[in-house]
Amino acid sequence: AQTVTQSQPEMSVQEAETVTLSCTYDTSESDYYLFWYKQPPSRQMILVIRQEAYKQQNATENRFSVNFQKAAKSFSLKISDSQLGDAAMYFCAYFTSGTYKYIFGTGTRLKVLA
Amino acid sequence: GAVVSQHPSRVICKSGTSVKIECRSLDFQATTMFWYRQFPKQSLMLMATSNEGSKATYEQGVEKDKFLINHASLTLSTLTVTSAHPEDSSFYICSARVGGSSTDTQYFGPGTRLTVL
Repeated sequence: AQTVTQSQPEMSVQEAETVTLSCTYDTSESDYYLFWYKQPPSRQMILVIRQEAYKQQNATENRFSVNFQKAAKSFSLKISDSQLGDAAMYFCAYFTSGTYKYIFGTGTRLKVLA
Repeated sequence: GAVVSQHPSRVICKSGTSVKIECRSLDFQATTMFWYRQFPKQSLMLMATSNEGSKATYEQGVEKDKFLINHASLTLSTLTVTSAHPEDSSFYICSARVGGSSTDTQYFGPGTRLTVL
C-alpha cells in the first residue's frame, strides 16, 4: 500500500531564511504525482507545487522548490526567503492513476519567526 | 488556478437533523470530486470519491447511508450528513480533480465546519 510520511511535526524558520520540509513515500508504482499543499489558519488548502514522477527535473515555483529523489522515494520542499505568510501546515501528497486517490502525509506545521 | 467553492462555510444544527454541503467547481468541469474530513490538527481523511453520473465510492469505515453523496453535474457534488450527531462535528473539505495525464491536480474548496449540538 502507498504511504506518505512526514517525520517533522513542526519546524521553525527565521524570516528571510531557508527551510526544508521532508517527505518520504512508499509505492511500487512507477508513474505517479507528488504534491505539496499549504493549509494556512483559514484552512483553505492551497497547491504549492507538483512533480510528475517521470520528470527528472525538480519542480520550482518562485521561492518554492523540491528535491525529488525517485530512487530514495524522497520529496522534500525547500522554501527560500521565508515570509511571515508562509506560516501554515504543509501536507505532502501522492497520487497515482492506479487508485485515483490522493494520499496525504500527516503534515508539518511551519512557524516563521520575525 | 482552478476555483472550487463550498457552501455553507459554517453550519450549526441540532442532533438528528440532516445537513447538505455543496461543492462547486467554478471555472472548470470536474468528472471526479473528493470528500474529506479533517479533525483538529490532523491530516485529511478521504471519505469518498464522487464521479459524475455514478454512485460514489466510499472508503472503508465510512457509512454510505449516513454520508450521502450526489454528483449530479460536472460542476456540482453534494454531501448530505443524515441524522447528524455530535460525533459528526468536524471540518469537511471537498476537492475537484482536474484530470489529464500530464496535469492531474486536485483543487480544494474552503471547507465547511459542521457543529452538531
